[in-house]
Amino acid sequence: EDQVTQSPEALRLQEGESSSLNCSYTVSGLRGLFWYRQDPGKGPEFLFTLYSAGEEKEKERLKATLTKKESFLHITAPKPEDSATYLCAVQARAAGNKLTFGGGTRVLVKP
Amino acid sequence: NAGVMQNPRHLVRRRGQEARLRCSPMKGHSHVYWYRQLPEEGLKFMVYLQKENIIDESGMPKERFSAEFPKEGPSILRIQQVVRGDSAAYFCASSPGGQGAWVTEAFFGQGTRLTVV
Repeated sequence: EDQVTQSPEALRLQEGESSSLNCSYTVSGLRGLFWYRQDPGKGPEFLFTLYSAGEEKEKERLKATLTKKESFLHITAPKPEDSATYLCAVQARAAGNKLTFGGGTRVLVKP
Repeated sequence: NAGVMQNPRHLVRRRGQEARLRCSPMKGHSHVYWYRQLPEEGLKFMVYLQKENIIDESGMPKERFSAEFPKEGPSILRIQQVVRGDSAAYFCASSPGGQGAWVTEAFFGQGTRLTVV
């Protein structure tokens, strides 16, 4: 069974204090790894899809990387508006188009 | 994100009533997915549909739950005889793609928050 574990569960940062979120996965043949941002009371907002080990993608202060066992979401010099829950999900080759999500990391950036 | 439209945003039902949740995918998208988010839990896959076809319903409870995506109109997630445990946020996502295409991006709606009293 595909499994996704995110750590830490919660992260408190000072504005400007860079950090990384971890997403460890077990999947029988990875087709893609997805990162989403979710604000309270809202739907997940798509950020990135990564397909192969060594791949990196960036968007503003966010950078996602992928290895064969985990993915990292680096937040560089975060601002209060980066406060959100960040979700990681995997898509397995044998699972069609469904995504298996981790529990998320709640990030709070204080000014 | 704003392109996937779900309604209603909030729905209150008494135990035993039926709940109908609607999802209109983004323009040009032919694949629809339903996910459920229970309080303090992650998103769980329920069902994947294309127009007039259920492709994967492996995450759907066997009883009381059904989904459809007709040729015309929105996708509907139907919950019959609701119980308190059905209280959750239900999210719809859509993606583009033709037959056999796989998802590279999936965009979510704002969700329907179902409360069963």
